[in-house]
Amino acid sequence: QVQLVESGGGLVKPGGSLRLSCAASGFTFSDYYMSWIRQAPGKGLEWVSYISNSGSIIYYADSVKGRFTISRDNAKNSLYLQMNSLRADDTAVYYCARDLGFWGILQYYYYGMDVWGQGTTVTVSS
Amino acid sequence: EIVLTQSPGTLSLSPGERATLSCRASQSVSSTYLAWYQQRPDQAPRLLMYGASNRATGIPDRFSGSGSGTDFTLTISRLEPADFAVYYCQLYGSSPIFTFGPGTKVDIK
Repeated sequence: QVQLVESGGGLVKPGGSLRLSCAASGFTFSDYYMSWIRQAPGKGLEWVSYISNSGSIIYYADSVKGRFTISRDNAKNSLYLQMNSLRADDTAVYYCARDLGFWGILQYYYYGMDVWGQGTTVTVSS
Repeated sequence: EIVLTQSPGTLSLSPGERATLSCRASQSVSSTYLAWYQQRPDQAPRLLMYGASNRATGIPDRFSGSGSGTDFTLTISRLEPADFAVYYCQLYGSSPIFTFGPGTKVDIK
């Protein structure tokens, strides 16, 4: 079945690094844009980063720009998030999600994020 | 930067009642880019609606969406026990690419 499974979360000290992975199965990973979204404890959803199916289009939230790097390996059906210079306010559950959007010739078409992983917890604390 | 505001923060209703959730954008947006998600406790979010009024695959027809410009509404016609959850609206935009509203919690009265 269609599935996303995140891994790589854990406890890290401020200033440290972590690399999150998201393994996709049950669909043609290389056809889809993908996003990372996070949720701090007891808080709402915050979009983090987005990558097109080929990897040629990448965006970041201002809160992580310059510290986080999104990437993908379509041969391995995997999405990654390299997180550097971690801060306490990066503490959250991190979800990867399949994005049904895509760029057409004249405009962007968006149909929502229809598949989500179960999340991986990142805790930044000394 | 477009800001999404959701109201009310919490909606206390009984099973069988109608729920009306509001999402307001700080400036006019295209309804094409407005989505709604449901998040049950300790679960990942679930896509409910896209394009403001289109139900995602497998979403029952008691869920409906409407709106345009700055004001959007998610309506649950008759609440079932599984519908008590937090609901987020989301916008695809230019900067940031995606924005989520703060959420509306629908809890049991």
